[in-house]
Amino acid sequence: EPEVTQTPSHQVTQMGQEVILRCVPISNHLYFYWYRQILGQKVEFLVSFYNNEISEKSEIFDDQFSVERPDGSNFTLKIRSTKLEDSAMYFCASSVTTEVGTQYFGPGTRLLVL
Amino acid sequence: GDSVTQMEGPVTLSEEAFLTINCTYTATGYPSLFWYVQYPGEGLQLLLKATKADDKGSNKGFEATYRKETTSFHLEKGSVQVSDSAVYFCALSDSASKIIFGSGTRLSIRP
Repeated sequence: EPEVTQTPSHQVTQMGQEVILRCVPISNHLYFYWYRQILGQKVEFLVSFYNNEISEKSEIFDDQFSVERPDGSNFTLKIRSTKLEDSAMYFCASSVTTEVGTQYFGPGTRLLVL
Repeated sequence: GDSVTQMEGPVTLSEEAFLTINCTYTATGYPSLFWYVQYPGEGLQLLLKATKADDKGSNKGFEATYRKETTSFHLEKGSVQVSDSAVYFCALSDSASKIIFGSGTRLSIRP
């Protein structure tokens, strides 16, 4: 069964450093998403992306964050200058359509900012 | 804004026990409701969904009914198995773009 993959599974970085989290969505999917879950808190929507543009973003997704689909297969989330509070599990998702409930999620990248 | 509240875990049960995980929601519109499950080391998987009031979603022996009058979508299973051990997330969506999740409930089943 096709699946969304994410790399790395774990990343540790120093505060102020840039990180890039990578996702490979399912190959025929057109819509892409990032969510995050701070330990012990809710899974929160960050951003959705379609046709090389951001479709919707949350208040969390400020100028420190950016997304890109650089090569037609990867979908990346960049955090320019990490803060301690960016420590979280980051989930990528993709879908063929925008029908509710059709998003397939990856296993997540656990980011720890020291 | 819209939100989801679910019972805190962890929940530990013996095999074949009855399971209920409570979930309530707040929404201004008429959202679709979901339960997602995350098995160890894997991504979030859609377990079941209901798109309108009184709908019942079901899958793998799990059920949940969309109750508009109580704004609830409680997850139930009559007889749990060790393989059901996972984290369960209640969620809603009234937008094509985003899903709003609860904080998750960790379920552990003892043999």
